[in-house]
Amino acid sequence: NAGVMQNPRHLVRRRGQEARLRCSPMKGHSHVYWYRQLPEEGLKFMVYLQKENIIDESGMPKERFSAEFPKEGPSILRIQQVVRGDSAAYFCASSPPRGVGSYEQYFGPGTRLTVT
Amino acid sequence: SQQGEEDPQALSIQEGENATMNCSYKTSINNLQWYRQNSGRGLVHLILIRSNEREKHSGRLRVTLDTSKKSSSLLITASRAADTASYFCATDDGSNYKLTFGKGTLLTVNP
Repeated sequence: NAGVMQNPRHLVRRRGQEARLRCSPMKGHSHVYWYRQLPEEGLKFMVYLQKENIIDESGMPKERFSAEFPKEGPSILRIQQVVRGDSAAYFCASSPPRGVGSYEQYFGPGTRLTVT
Repeated sequence: SQQGEEDPQALSIQEGENATMNCSYKTSINNLQWYRQNSGRGLVHLILIRSNEREKHSGRLRVTLDTSKKSSSLLITASRAADTASYFCATDDGSNYKLTFGKGTLLTVNP
């Protein structure tokens, strides 16, 4: 069973460009979470999605950031008009459907975004 | 201090010794999880302890939880150089999905 996959692993964007980060959850997992990790910091929750639904986006910046988890395909975290402060590692995690008994989140390797 | 704050920030020990890391949190939780992160990599889930549990073991790992003190500890016994990593505790806010991480403890195990 492949783990959570994220691509690209490294992404360099110039200020003002758009960044698209992809996440494929583990097989059988229908819940996806995005976290951001700034240097020397712990991870900060951004958004929680299920297929075609945003459940909780309370950690998302109000502007320029959006996330989706379509019926088919990976979850996408989109950052428009990137600024230097967006440089960070972005981690995706997934978990099985609720009621299966586990609240563990399984993390991908992350995408390291550098804005120049 | 923020929710899920680890102590110490850095710990350096010799191979074979035990390593103890602590985590304190502020609000009520449903469960507490410990993760490991190797440099530049993603997080690996180590162990989850529920709020009604006091102690849990997994291999060389032992986790305790004291809800009255809002604290947890992670003990790694007989450490190995491969245990060198950052260790994070993560708590949920009752939502069972929104994890809050501390800044982590950087453990270095010297061969």
